[in-house]
Amino acid sequence: ETGVTQTPRHLVMGMTNKKSLKCEQHLGHNAMYWYKQSAKKPLELMFVYSLEERVENNSVPSRFSPECPNSSHLFLHLHTLQPEDSALYLCASSQVVAGGLNTGELFFGEGSRLTVL
Amino acid sequence: AQTVTQSQPEMSVQEAETVTLSCTYDTSESDYYLFWYKQPPSRQMILVIRQEAYKQQNATENRFSVNFQKAAKSFSLKISDSQLGDAAMYFCAYHNNDMRFGAGTRLTVKP
Repeated sequence: ETGVTQTPRHLVMGMTNKKSLKCEQHLGHNAMYWYKQSAKKPLELMFVYSLEERVENNSVPSRFSPECPNSSHLFLHLHTLQPEDSALYLCASSQVVAGGLNTGELFFGEGSRLTVL
Repeated sequence: AQTVTQSQPEMSVQEAETVTLSCTYDTSESDYYLFWYKQPPSRQMILVIRQEAYKQQNATENRFSVNFQKAAKSFSLKISDSQLGDAAMYFCAYHNNDMRFGAGTRLTVKP
């Protein structure tokens, strides 16, 4: 069993659909992240949850809505997406220690490949 | 803002040979971490190697080593004795308060 599990692995949706991506981590970490990976571009940080509180938004459009019910689970709710939102969405987790500089090492899931028609 | 630049979109190496992937970054911080991540086709991204900025000694993990030049803000990855399983996207990353990634280098290994 991998440390970070994402479902579904592939998703095709129309622009009017509502769907959700799910991420679960089994590493006992206290921070979880959503990244967007598009071809030939750096990974874009979308959301960060540390100790179940959202700490960073990065001006992501409101058609993406994150939810973190506990430290092991993270969702990304999708609605009225655009074709340019098609990408690989990566979930990651890490262990954050309060105070000082954390190593920042991330543990990734395999990603959810999203296609918006 | 900190940026990470990987100037080689694609690289190719012969099996058993050595290849070096380039990475430069921009920061005004003195304390930070640098990483190389590997993303095989359709598989999850995994950490290859990590370097703490306060350490002068270059990190090494088996066939993987880095050349960390702090003054030049350069962090290259050397893969020795390349294997077919090394074929993947390689991402350089910088971390201070958050993680910043480069655009990646696609490495092909020729048998």
